[in-house]
Amino acid sequence: DVVLTQSPATLSVTPGERISLSCRASESVDSYLHWYQQKPNESPRLLIKYASQSISGIPSRFSGSGSGTDFTLSINGVELDDLSIYYCQQGNSLPLTFGSGTKLEIK
Amino acid sequence: EVQLVESGGVLVQPGRSMKLSCAASGFTFSSFPMAWVRQAPTKGLEWVATISTSGGTTYYRDSVKGRFTISRDNAKSALYLQMDSLRSEDTATYYCTTVGSYYFDYWGQGVMVTVSS
Repeated sequence: DVVLTQSPATLSVTPGERISLSCRASESVDSYLHWYQQKPNESPRLLIKYASQSISGIPSRFSGSGSGTDFTLSINGVELDDLSIYYCQQGNSLPLTFGSGTKLEIK
Repeated sequence: EVQLVESGGVLVQPGRSMKLSCAASGFTFSSFPMAWVRQAPTKGLEWVATISTSGGTTYYRDSVKGRFTISRDNAKSALYLQMDSLRSEDTATYYCTTVGSYYFDYWGQGVMVTVSS
């Protein structure tokens, strides 16, 4: 199984900051890496697909980059509404796997 | 607007069975593969099973293979998950999702399944 390691586990930030969240795969997943946001007590929602492709309706401050084994989700100007857990997921091979998540706390 | 509404969750004893349903609307259900993803209390996300548009192809994670069955009724725009021989480790919120090319586009609100004696 492909193991996805997300870091940091928790990140405390100030509104307006630009931040980067990391997702590292145990083997290459090409660009089949997707990002999700889960707000407290809500269902997850798709943020970025194929490492860097934007999703309709998602604010432009969210962007993704990377390929192979190293990926980054960036938020350019964090807002209070971004308080969430962020998960990466690989779609390159079965079983489909998720990272353990990065919890974003807003100071 | 895409809507996915799960139902069927309840408290069940270990070893017993349960069937989850997901009612879909707002899109052409028969054109999309579908999946179930679960989340144990305070834990992360875990893919459970995926089904093709026709229902002819299914995939499962190893821990549920032989115990869970994913199915669909395109005429009713409905997705199902038959869960047999339930274990305590199956306790989770189960989400119904649409499937892009091995990513999960839209998610339901989730249904809680508790396996406990």
